[in-house]
Amino acid sequence: GAGVSQSPSNKVTEKGKDVELRCDPISGHTALYWYRQSLGQGLEFLIYFQGNSAPDKSGLPSDRFSAERTGGSVSTLTIQRTQQEDSAVYLCASSLVASGSLNTGELFFGEGSRLTVL
Amino acid sequence: SQQGEEDPQALSIQEGENATMNCSYKTSINNLQWYRQNSGRGLVHLILIRSNEREKHSGRLRVTLDTSKKSSSLLITASRAADTASYFCASGNKAAGNKLTFGGGTRVLVKP
Repeated sequence: GAGVSQSPSNKVTEKGKDVELRCDPISGHTALYWYRQSLGQGLEFLIYFQGNSAPDKSGLPSDRFSAERTGGSVSTLTIQRTQQEDSAVYLCASSLVASGSLNTGELFFGEGSRLTVL
Repeated sequence: SQQGEEDPQALSIQEGENATMNCSYKTSINNLQWYRQNSGRGLVHLILIRSNEREKHSGRLRVTLDTSKKSSSLLITASRAADTASYFCASGNKAAGNKLTFGGGTRVLVKP
């Protein structure tokens, strides 16, 4: 696709339910990131996939959070047994080159999935 | 505090004025990037400056980087109402596994 696509754009769920958020990165981008943004706040890093390397899961806040990236493309972020504090906008971004290298590594963001846990 | 902290947290200016915001970071970086976010939208990349660069321009944007002070600044000249947004700096650190870490952002309001 032309850009990073995320679905659903909005999700309202009840406390204790599981949710899945999907990210379709730009075709050919090797790096994929998930961030979380609470209202009026900055971006909290969650997880990072780069090519075939083991993902960097250091930002996942608890074991209720998991993510996978199938075939080096689509990624799914799963939150089990959702809590009210999980309410936030979940942003996905992809990059052609890992941003920490000296090469150009700008991130292309999706519009986010707004999660509300009642 | 996080890698990449912006200052000020909020800025209100008149159209035509310049807007300056600063970013400080803690560890050594490979590059530093600035992004813009309109309310309720995703982030859009503005400019990237590498650790061996000191200044970079893009249209009305000017970014400086001082690695000795671990700080960067973003200047928007001749601001327009359409520049109203939140601006975030993000640092790339190879030692941290190449992930990009964002600060809390500066909310800029440009009044017409």
